[in-house]
Amino acid sequence: NAGVTQTPKFRVLKTGQSMTLLCAQDMNHEYMYWYRQDPGMGLRLIHYSVGEGTTAKGEVPDGYNVSRLKKQNFLLGLESAAPSQTSVYFCASSLVSNQPQHFGDGTRLSIL
Amino acid sequence: AQSVTQPDIHITVSEGASLELRCNYSYGATPYLFWYVQSPGQGLQLLLKYFSGDTLVQGIKGFEAEFKRSQSSFNLRKPSVHWSDAAEYFCAVAINTDKLIFGTGTRLQVFP
Repeated sequence: NAGVTQTPKFRVLKTGQSMTLLCAQDMNHEYMYWYRQDPGMGLRLIHYSVGEGTTAKGEVPDGYNVSRLKKQNFLLGLESAAPSQTSVYFCASSLVSNQPQHFGDGTRLSIL
Repeated sequence: AQSVTQPDIHITVSEGASLELRCNYSYGATPYLFWYVQSPGQGLQLLLKYFSGDTLVQGIKGFEAEFKRSQSSFNLRKPSVHWSDAAEYFCAVAINTDKLIFGTGTRLQVFP
């Protein structure tokens, strides 16, 4: 049971570099989410998708872009990384809205 | 604004003691309610959920939670804590939206 898989697990970037985080789910879920987790702030929603080909902004979307070209994949991009984007990023998916979300194990990203 | 409050940032209990973690929300209608647990270096795992019906819900690992509409609360309880319960616990709510709103979490420490 793979569930939700995030790659990579760790990454260190220099300010201004770009990168893409990949999230893949094998549960045929419609909804997918990207969160960031920072100490004392819980999880904050960056972007989400309610189905293949759709994306929407969450609470903290600035500096990030996303794409959902295939139902099972949800990509999070940082075009020009900034130190404020140092965080742990979690991907999640759910069958439909208001249903429990299934989480990946996270990507720890450091921006120097 | 809609919000979820977990008033206790850090709780310490002795192994075998009872546990109650507090969660309050500010919504006009009855939301969908969730408790998640996060072990170090891991993603979030669903402990239990409340959608409707019996206000006392049972979850995994011996946890239960009670929805109290009059108090806008959904507190998590366990009669006897085990050392393996040490983790961070998140309350989350959803109300007719595509998104979950998470509390900032309560870190549980268990002493032998």
